[in-house]
Amino acid sequence: DVKVTQSSRYLVKRTGEKVFLECVQDMDHENMFWYRQDPGLGLRLIYFSYDVKMKEKGDIPEGYSVSREKKERFSLILESASTNQTSMYLCASSLISSNQPQHFGDGTRLSIL
Amino acid sequence: AQTVTQSQPEMSVQEAETVTLSCTYDTSENNYYLFWYKQPPSRQMILVIRQEAYKQQNATENRFSVNFQKAAKSFSLKISDSQLGDTAMYFCAFMTPTGNQFYFGTGTSLTVIP
Repeated sequence: DVKVTQSSRYLVKRTGEKVFLECVQDMDHENMFWYRQDPGLGLRLIYFSYDVKMKEKGDIPEGYSVSREKKERFSLILESASTNQTSMYLCASSLISSNQPQHFGDGTRLSIL
Repeated sequence: AQTVTQSQPEMSVQEAETVTLSCTYDTSENNYYLFWYKQPPSRQMILVIRQEAYKQQNATENRFSVNFQKAAKSFSLKISDSQLGDTAMYFCAFMTPTGNQFYFGTGTSLTVIP
């Protein structure tokens, strides 16, 4: 089974801090994704990556950046955390083949105080 | 851009009954992929069922089946013989032919009542 591991289930940070959310997958997937999930809004794509050192903006990239130095790891960075970034963050990965679904991690509940 | 609409924010069903969750989408693509994901209260999102747009036959996975109407751009999920473990948030998702972009609906929270 595919395993997508997010480093923290719960995280509390302060406004203005630089925050790192880490995601690792163990199935050699090319694609990796970061979403935030908010009630009534579903999942919104922040960034995705289809290869090492490659990244594409999603629907809501403002205030975020990403890093993919190795194929298995995709990091989401909040450069200067703000309270409106309090949310559930989900990481996912998939094969580059067009009919393959995404596999998700458990999520990180991030609170910015 | 693709959009996915789930018009039922919350639904409930009696245990052992059948329930249908609706999903519509908008796209100009001809080939694409559709998915239903389930997110139980423990939060990990798992795949329930998938449908390729070029296949006319509706996908089925045990108690889960879909009604895919390509012309109407409709992709509903039917859960038969509902079980307590089916209580979850259900998301409909659309994937582009390239496989690197997904679009999710806002979700339907399903509660199975004992």
